[in-house]
Amino acid sequence: EAGVAQSPRYKIIEKRQSVAFWCNPISGHATLYWYQQILGQGPKLLIQFQNNGVVDDSQLPKDRFSAERLKGVDSTLKIQPAKLEDSAVYLCASSLVVGASGGAVYNEQFFGPGTRLTVL
Amino acid sequence: GESVGLHLPTLSVQEGDNSIINCAYSNSASDYFIWYKQESGKGPQFIIDIRSNMDKRQGQRVTVLLNKTVKHLSLQIAATQPGDSAVYFCAETYTGRRALTFGSGTRLQVQP
Repeated sequence: EAGVAQSPRYKIIEKRQSVAFWCNPISGHATLYWYQQILGQGPKLLIQFQNNGVVDDSQLPKDRFSAERLKGVDSTLKIQPAKLEDSAVYLCASSLVVGASGGAVYNEQFFGPGTRLTVL
Repeated sequence: GESVGLHLPTLSVQEGDNSIINCAYSNSASDYFIWYKQESGKGPQFIIDIRSNMDKRQGQRVTVLLNKTVKHLSLQIAATQPGDSAVYFCAETYTGRRALTFGSGTRLQVQP
């Protein structure tokens, strides 16, 4: 089974420039997550999709970050304009859908290798 | 809650010893906990999970202990091997949320 794919693996940009990251989840995984991992810290959720709908974007800096998953499969995360503090690894993860009631069943999240962004 | 800081706490052990990595969580509503292993340049990899109705769960060479009273989680690795060297994160979530809140991580270094 192929894992979560992300591209590019590395990106270096100057502040105020724009950048986009791409994620292809595991086939059949309806839930997709974007996490930001700053050096020395654990990943922090930015946005969660179920199919093509947003479930949770409460921690997404919406003035500069945007994400979409138009067809419910691949997703892109964009930063415009980038700031120095956006330097981090951006991780994409996917999981199977939990029951509609959201009951006490949890599906394992599978993470991609991440995109390391450096903002100069 | 989230931790800050550029320097991860480090646990250094000898090959063959047992390792214990600890984690404190803050959300009393969390009912599902996971340990992840992250090697350099890779995404986090699932190790073992535990639900809040359990105190202990064992896997292959790993054991997770949960103390809900003090909101503490630990990961025990038996007979630690060089391949276990990585950063280990605990993560928590609660019914209905699914997305994970990660702890600050511990770097495990295994000396041959």
